[in-house]
This record gives sequence, C-alpha cells and structure tokens, in this order.
Amino acid sequence: QKEVEQDPGPLSVPEGAIVSLNCTYSNSAFQYFMWYRQYSRKGPELLMYTYSSGNKEDGRFTAQVDKSSKYISLFIRDSQPSDSATYLCAMSDENAGNNRKLIWGLGTSLAVNP
Amino acid sequence: NADVMQNPRHLVRRRGQEARLRCSPMKGHSHVYWYRQLPEEGLKFMVYLQKENIIDESGMPKERFSAEFPKEGPSILRIQQVVRGDSAAYFCASSPFGGDPIPPFGPGTRLTVL
Repeated sequence: QKEVEQDPGPLSVPEGAIVSLNCTYSNSAFQYFMWYRQYSRKGPELLMYTYSSGNKEDGRFTAQVDKSSKYISLFIRDSQPSDSATYLCAMSDENAGNNRKLIWGLGTSLAVNP
Repeated sequence: NADVMQNPRHLVRRRGQEARLRCSPMKGHSHVYWYRQLPEEGLKFMVYLQKENIIDESGMPKERFSAEFPKEGPSILRIQQVVRGDSAAYFCASSPFGGDPIPPFGPGTRLTVL
C-alpha cells in the first residue's frame, strides 16, 4: 500500500463546475498537507498549505484535512479552463526534524471544458 | 535571484554517458531537496542537502547517483552511466532553513536517455 493514494483520473468537468479532489494517506505522523498544481512540462506550483486538521480557503480554492479519517480534499469553485492541470497532494512528517521531504500522491489530471 | 533555477531545462544523453543536473537555490537559501518524476509513478524524494552536507539520501538509487551542494555554487545531481530508465523530470526545491514545509520548486530538468 502506498503512503499516499490519489485517484489519477482523468477528471473532465464543464466550466463553472465545483471540482472535488481527494487523497488518502496511511502515516498518522503526517502533519503538513499541501496541494500543488502542475501544468504540462512545468514544475509543481504550491496552491494550498494546511498544518494539521481543519479547513483553509483562498479565493476559489478550499482545502480540508480530516486527520481522523486520514483524508484530505481540495475543492475548486467556479472552475475555469485555466484550471486544467494535474493536481498533486503532498505531505510531510512533523517527526522528521528539519527534514521536510514530501511524500506525493500520483496526481489527478483535471480538464475544465469551456 | 527571485526563483529557484535549474539547468539545463532539457538534457539528452546516450546510454552509458554521464548526466549533470544543476540547481541554483533562491538567494539566501542553504537547503536543497531533489525529486524525480517518472512517468506513471509520480514525484519521489531523492535527497536532502544542506550546504556541504548530505542530510538524507534515503531516496537515492544505491548506484550511479550522487548529489552535492558545495559552499559556493549550485547543487549538482550527477547520474553516471545513464540508462533508459533514468529518463524523467528532475526537480529541486530550496529553503532558507531546515523545517520549512513549503520550499519553492524549480522548473525542472527533463532528462531523456537514448
């Protein structure tokens, strides 16, 4: 079993739809949870960052962490064609001292159709 | 330097040659992480370095791969005697201190082994 599981999709939605992206994980020591966006042939770009449990909102994006279920989500409201990309979840272990190496999901490919 | 820089952006090598990938961290950053993104496998941690020190190389293949981050100059990821399976995108991220959970990423080097 992988430490972080993420459905690779692809996911195709019409413009304006609400998109829900999810990851599950097995390591209860994970405390830092990130969502990255990656356009084709580019580097990962940080979208949202959450420490421990709870919700965080930034514009059209909302990140949720449920540590009891080991489940994290990213919601995109009013999706736009420019949101078409691969979305990767990533996590790191607070017990690793200063080492913040990230453990990644496979990424979900999203296409928003005009 | 406002961004993490990587060069070359694209590198083509024949089997058996050496590949050298360079990562110039953001100004003032003394910590570097290297990741590899293989097709269908997602991003995987390779190595975490501080200037002149390797902190965690648990993700590095045992043979042919090495990394350094000298006191002056960029961090170098070196792959000796490349094989087709080394074809991947290699990303680095840098941070100003240990424990930074969201180091920014560079644009990556895409290595193709013929």
